[in-house]
Amino acid sequence: LAKTTQPISMDSYEGQEVNITCSHNNIATNDYITWYQQFPSQGPRFIIQGYKTKVTNEVASLFIPADRKSSTLSLPRVSLSDTAVYYCLNTGGFKTIFGAGTRLFVKA
Amino acid sequence: DSGVTQTPKHLITATGQRVTLRCSPRSGDLSVYWYQQSLDQGLQFLIQYYNGEERAKGNILERFSAQQFPDLHSELNLSSLELGDSALYFCASSVGIGGPTDTQYFGPGTRLTVL
Repeated sequence: LAKTTQPISMDSYEGQEVNITCSHNNIATNDYITWYQQFPSQGPRFIIQGYKTKVTNEVASLFIPADRKSSTLSLPRVSLSDTAVYYCLNTGGFKTIFGAGTRLFVKA
Repeated sequence: DSGVTQTPKHLITATGQRVTLRCSPRSGDLSVYWYQQSLDQGLQFLIQYYNGEERAKGNILERFSAQQFPDLHSELNLSSLELGDSALYFCASSVGIGGPTDTQYFGPGTRLTVL
């Protein structure tokens, strides 16, 4: 049973900012929040990770409120190549549980 | 390129047969993870090894087994294959034992087709 809940799919247009929100049910105190990206027929790729507040790297930002019950992945100015499935995970337990992910489709 | 290699890329076999999938982790990584991804089940964690020892077990069937060798490469053995075992099998590796910040790096996968 996935520990996270996120929208099944989202559509966007090139150049827009995309925000994908995830609910982290029963996140443990020691868990981090981690996001992966997966293109068709490829293995998932790490995007970003955080524990609290805001984290930014060269590809995305991650916002985590104080209660850590949710997180928001922000992709600035998406392009067609950002079309993929995005997974949010609680990382820290013995087993890595991927949910169904959010299928992002970027249109021209 | 994540640095994780998997062989073979594709495998076609018949029901009842046995196959072995191979994974070489990134240099320096001690953990290896196996996942199965099928259309109807999503990405399912199967098993993790850390430095040769089994560390965590997920939804791995009794017909499946894995091991990690002293050189840290890993093999996933699938036996008595059924049509439903057709899937993409991914291997991932990480530096540590699988803690909260231990990033997993995924290989390109092996596509198994059981006819």
